Amino acid sequence: AQSVTQLGSHVSVSEGALVLLRCNYSSSVPPYLFWYVQYPNQGLQLLLKYTSAATLVKGINGFEAEFKKSETSFHLTKPSAHMSDAAEYFCAVSEKGNTPLVFGKGTRLSVIA
Amino acid sequence: GAGVSQTPSNKVTEKGKYVELRCDPISGHTALYWYRQSLGQGPEFLIYFQGTGAADDSGLPNDRFFAVRPEGSVSTLKIQRTERGDSAVYLCASSLMGGMNTGELFFGEGSRLTVL
Repeated sequence: AQSVTQLGSHVSVSEGALVLLRCNYSSSVPPYLFWYVQYPNQGLQLLLKYTSAATLVKGINGFEAEFKKSETSFHLTKPSAHMSDAAEYFCAVSEKGNTPLVFGKGTRLSVIA
Repeated sequence: GAGVSQTPSNKVTEKGKYVELRCDPISGHTALYWYRQSLGQGPEFLIYFQGTGAADDSGLPNDRFFAVRPEGSVSTLKIQRTERGDSAVYLCASSLMGGMNTGELFFGEGSRLTVL
C-alpha cells in the first residue's frame, strides 16, 4: 500500500526566503503525486500534480515540485516566500487511477515578516 | 454553485445520536469523494461515488457509517450511534473525471463534527 511522509509538521521561514517542504512517498507502482494547500477557513486547493510526464512540475503561486524516483521524493519549493503563503500543505499519492488519494499529515508553513 | 458546498459547517451532537452531513458538488461533476480529517492528521479517504453508485467504500471505518448519492449529485454521509472518536472534519470533494486520481479534486470547506 502506498503512503506519504511529510518531514516537519511546522516550517517557519522569513519573508523572501526559500520555501522547502519535504515529501517522501512509498508506492509499489509508479505513482501519481499531488500537493494541496489549505488556507485558514478554506477548503483544500490543488497546487500541482505529477502524473508521469515532466519530472519538474510547476504549480500556482510560484510553487514547483520535482519528482525524484531514486529518492522517492516530491519536495515542494518556492524561491521567495510571501506572507500570503502561510497555510497548511499536504502531499498526496495514488497508484495511477487504481487507488484513492493517500495524504500525508501536513506541514504548517509560517512566514515571518 | 460555484464550488463544493457542505452543510452544516459545524455540528455538535451527543454520543449515541444519529448525524447526517450533506455535500453539494460542483454542477456536472460525476465523481464525489468523502474524506475525514482528524486533528493533526491529513485527510483520510472514506468513500468514492461515480454517479449514483459507490465505486469504492473501503475507507468507511465500520457499519455505523453509510453514504448515499441517490440522483448522482448531492450526497449525504450518515453516521449512526455516534462516538466521541467520530469527532473530526468531514471533507467532501468532487471531480469531472472518473477514477480517483486522474483529475483535480475540488474540496468543500468541510463539516466539523463534535461528539460530546
